[in-house]
Amino acid sequence: QKEVEQNSGPLSVPEGAIASLNCTYSDRVSQSFFWYRQYSGKSPELIMSIYSNGDKEDGRFTAQLNKASQYVSLLIRDSQPSDSATYLCAVKNYGNNRLAFGKGNQVVVIP
Amino acid sequence: DTEVTQTPKHLVMGMTNKKSLKCEQHMGHRAMYWYKQKAKKPPELMFVYSYEKLSINESVPSRFSPECPNSSLLNLHLHALQPEDSALYLCASSLRLAGGLPHYEQYFGPGTRLTVT
Repeated sequence: QKEVEQNSGPLSVPEGAIASLNCTYSDRVSQSFFWYRQYSGKSPELIMSIYSNGDKEDGRFTAQLNKASQYVSLLIRDSQPSDSATYLCAVKNYGNNRLAFGKGNQVVVIP
Repeated sequence: DTEVTQTPKHLVMGMTNKKSLKCEQHMGHRAMYWYKQKAKKPPELMFVYSYEKLSINESVPSRFSPECPNSSLLNLHLHALQPEDSALYLCASSLRLAGGLPHYEQYFGPGTRLTVT
């Protein structure tokens, strides 16, 4: 089992709709969870961090964490064409400073 | 300010060349990283420095040699690279203390696009 899994294929959403991305992780003691946005040819940009169970909202982004089920999700409300990018889920390993990344999900927002 | 800077932005080098990539952060972070990223793949960790000491080497070939001169600077020395080493090389930093607690948000620099000919 991979450390961090993002299984969904490319996601196409109409402008103004909600984009939903999911991520599961295997290390039960992981404590820190992150979502990065990466535009083509650019470096990853941190958009959300979450440490506790529940929801965390920042603008149009909401991160949800469920440690019992070992998943973390990202919702993008009122999706805009500028949200078209690859979204990477990352989980910090316990005991070191290493991040484990999922393979990423491409989101395409259709005007 | 969450800025990590990297130079150069682009680098083309031959297989016999020696070159260096440079990275700098002024966020007071205590951990710095080198990643390699190929197209349509997630970043692949190469090295981690924690408190200026090498803490993780992900079995990287010796033609890549990291150096951390101080807490703000990170270098990656390149020698005798292969064409398959062509990739985007990313530097990142993390680990700050706030209110006595560690925070692990990791911020990436813009990257160096390396082409080995």
